[in-house]
Formats: sequence, structure tokens, C-alpha cells
Amino acid sequence: GNSVTQMEGPVTLSEEAFLTINCTYTATGYPSLFWYVQYPGEGLQLLLKATKADDKGSNKGFEATYRKETTSFHLEKGSVQVSDSAVYFCALSDLAEGAGKSTFGDGTTLTVKP
Amino acid sequence: NAGVMQNPRHLVRRRGQEARLRCSPMKGHSHVYWYRQLPEEGLKFMVYLQKENIIDESGMPKERFSAEFPKEGPSILRIQQVVRGDSAAYFCASSPDRGTGQPQHFGDGTRLSIL
Repeated sequence: GNSVTQMEGPVTLSEEAFLTINCTYTATGYPSLFWYVQYPGEGLQLLLKATKADDKGSNKGFEATYRKETTSFHLEKGSVQVSDSAVYFCALSDLAEGAGKSTFGDGTTLTVKP
Repeated sequence: NAGVMQNPRHLVRRRGQEARLRCSPMKGHSHVYWYRQLPEEGLKFMVYLQKENIIDESGMPKERFSAEFPKEGPSILRIQQVVRGDSAAYFCASSPDRGTGQPQHFGDGTRLSIL
């Protein structure tokens, strides 16, 4: 079956530092890839997505590139802010596995200190 | 434009009682997904429904758990005879169709606590 492996956390950075959260996946077919963010007490919000190889998703200064050759979708941001503190989830959706359900990684907690 | 609405936000039950969790998808969305999140873990798929049909329930425990999405009204996740291990956050998501390029829109979840 499909799976998503995320870099273990927690990650603690100072404001304006560079962020990378690694994500690799295994999939039967040709999945779409997503990054979601979860703030305390809330549900997941879509951060960015990519639907085919070499696509780059970007939003709010975050970027991730769909790398089929390395089966990766690493999340990056050049300069983090305190407000970026949250849990980040990498996910894939693959019709080959059936239905439209998504497979999620275990999440990476990011804390940004001023 | 209301998002995905889940209620209640918090639910406390004693062992052996029943828990009913409700989810109203975004307007125009006919696909509903339920996920469970245990503390410090990611989301685990439970069930995928369309109106009046269960499409995929491969992640749902065979006993005590059931889900429905009637023609009218919200989707319901029902847990009978709850046990301590059912304590978790349950999230509902919806999408307009099942295409893999479509992101899912999540509600804020129901946090179920079993005493």
C-alpha cells in the first residue's frame, strides 16, 4: 500500500531561519502530493499541492517540488516567522489505491522562537 | 461560504456508551471522508462516503464503528460501546469529487474523550 514518511520532529528554529521538512513517499500509481498545516485545536488546512512530476507548489513563502526520481516532496521556506509554528503534514492521494482518500505522514511539529 | 462543520467540538463519554459525531460538508461537496488522529500521530483514514453510499471503509474497525451519509442531513460517524482506546480527534473532510488533484477540506474535528 501507499505510505508517506516525514522527517521526525519536533523542529525548533529561530525567526528568519531556513526551514526544510523532508517528505518521501511510496505509491502504486501516480499520486498527487500535498502539504497541510494544522494549528492547535483546529483541523488541517491545505498549504500547497503538486499533481505531477516536477511541479512546484507554493503558498505563503512555502515551496515544495514533486520529485518523482527521488519520490520526495520536501517542504521549504526561506525565512520562518513565529506565526509559522504549527504541525505540518505531508500527504498523497492516489486513485490506484482506490477512492479519493489521502494517506498522511505522522506530522512534524515546528516551533519558531523570536 | 461555510467550511466543513463538525459537531460537537468536544464529546465526553463513559465506557460502554455510544458516541455520535456529525459532519456537514462544504456546500457543493458530495464526497466525505472520516479520519482519526491519535495523540502525536498523523491522520488515519477510516471511511469514504458519497450520498447514501459507502465507497471505501477499509480503515474502519469491523466492530462498533459505523458511518452514514444520508440523502438529507450530515454525515454521521457512530461508535457503539466506546472504550478508552477510542479517545482521539476525529476529523471529517470533504471534496467536490474524487479526483486525486483535489485537496480535501477539513473540519476542526471532534475531540472524543472516554472516561
